[in-house]
Amino acid sequence: GQQVMQIPQYQHVQEGEDFTTYCNSSTTLSNIQWYKQRPGGHPVFLIQLVKSGEVKKQKRLTFQFGEAKKNSSLHITATQTTDVGTYFCAGLIQGAQKLVFGQGTRLTINP
Amino acid sequence: NAGVTQTPKFRVLKTGQSMTLLCAQDMNHEYMYWYRQDPGMGLRLIHYSVGEGTTAKGEVPDGYNVSRLKKQNFLLGLESAAPSQTSVYFCASSYLGRVNGYTFGSGTRLTVV
Repeated sequence: GQQVMQIPQYQHVQEGEDFTTYCNSSTTLSNIQWYKQRPGGHPVFLIQLVKSGEVKKQKRLTFQFGEAKKNSSLHITATQTTDVGTYFCAGLIQGAQKLVFGQGTRLTINP
Repeated sequence: NAGVTQTPKFRVLKTGQSMTLLCAQDMNHEYMYWYRQDPGMGLRLIHYSVGEGTTAKGEVPDGYNVSRLKKQNFLLGLESAAPSQTSVYFCASSYLGRVNGYTFGSGTRLTVV
């Protein structure tokens, strides 16, 4: 079936280090969204990318959408303890009515 | 605005019991979804609805039924609970399902013993 693969599954960093998670789809996406889920919480929408090659920034977070609209990445610069959680990408397959979520990357941080 | 409200927040069921999880949204969203989240499995779509009176199967629909009698409510039913249905259940809603992000409820933690 249509899948959105996300790597790595887990990432542990020292506070202040950078962090990146990658998302790859087997098919072209109409858009890609990113969500953050704090431990014990629910997923919260962060951002949506729609255009080929699009790059968006939110403070220390940088989101990219690939030229072929099949991959995306989230990069966090100089992580802080408040960045702890699981980051999910979710892609909208062209012509579909619902998002396909990646497996998520769980980020833990050593203060 | 309350956003998406799920009830109950916690529940323990015995194998074979039935229950209904309620999801209510006050954002006039057309689309609503039920997901389950298990450790290491991410979010798996159970059923979804693109409008009042319509429902469709997701990735893991077996053992669950849903109803969308009113636009603001989406019910998830377990007719005969099994231990494999122990999970955290999230409801989400979105406008059109295409342009905007999903708004998730705070979840229901269900344990089947």
